Amino acid sequence: KNEVEQSPQNLTAQEGEFITINCSYSVGISALHWLQQHPGGGIVSLFMLSSGKKKHGRLIATINIQEKHSSLHITASHPRDSAVYICAVKEGYGNKLVFGAGTILRVKS
Amino acid sequence: GAGVSQSPSNKVTEKGKDVELRCDPISGHTALYWYRQSLGQGLEFLIYFQGNSAPDKSGLPSDRFSAERTGGSVSTLTIQRTQQEDSAVYLCASSRVPSSPLHFGNGTRLTVT
Repeated sequence: KNEVEQSPQNLTAQEGEFITINCSYSVGISALHWLQQHPGGGIVSLFMLSSGKKKHGRLIATINIQEKHSSLHITASHPRDSAVYICAVKEGYGNKLVFGAGTILRVKS
Repeated sequence: GAGVSQSPSNKVTEKGKDVELRCDPISGHTALYWYRQSLGQGLEFLIYFQGNSAPDKSGLPSDRFSAERTGGSVSTLTIQRTQQEDSAVYLCASSRVPSSPLHFGNGTRLTVT
């Protein structure tokens, strides 16, 4: 079993829809990252959180430490949101990030 | 402003040759990470540098892989005697301090023929 599980693996949405991507992890963590990777490879850090909720524009990230679960929400989705969304956790007191396999999102106009 | 810069962007090498990949982190960032992403695979941690501390090499897949960070800035990842399974995109990331968000470079796509 992977330490970080994401769901769904693939998601196709219509423009304007509300999107949720889930991340569950099995280890104690000090922080959780949500990353966005566009075709061509560039990776952008969207959020880093260790508790509660963060919002940036149309993106919202939440984390429940007790349940070892995080969600990334996209409101009013747009075709430019099409990308791979990756959840990564920083284990305990360690330095490395453990990555989920990613969620491939396609938003159709 | 300048982001994380990696060079070369693409590298094709013959099996058995050595390669060096370079990462210029954002100025002032004390933490530097190397990751790799193999075709169809997720991201994999390789090595972490923080200031003057000894690096965390726990992710390096074999002793053919090594990395150094000179003067707390530029880092070089070296792969000796490359194998076909080393083909991947090698990504570098830096952060101001370990607890701050990561900034990724665009990666070096390594192809071993």
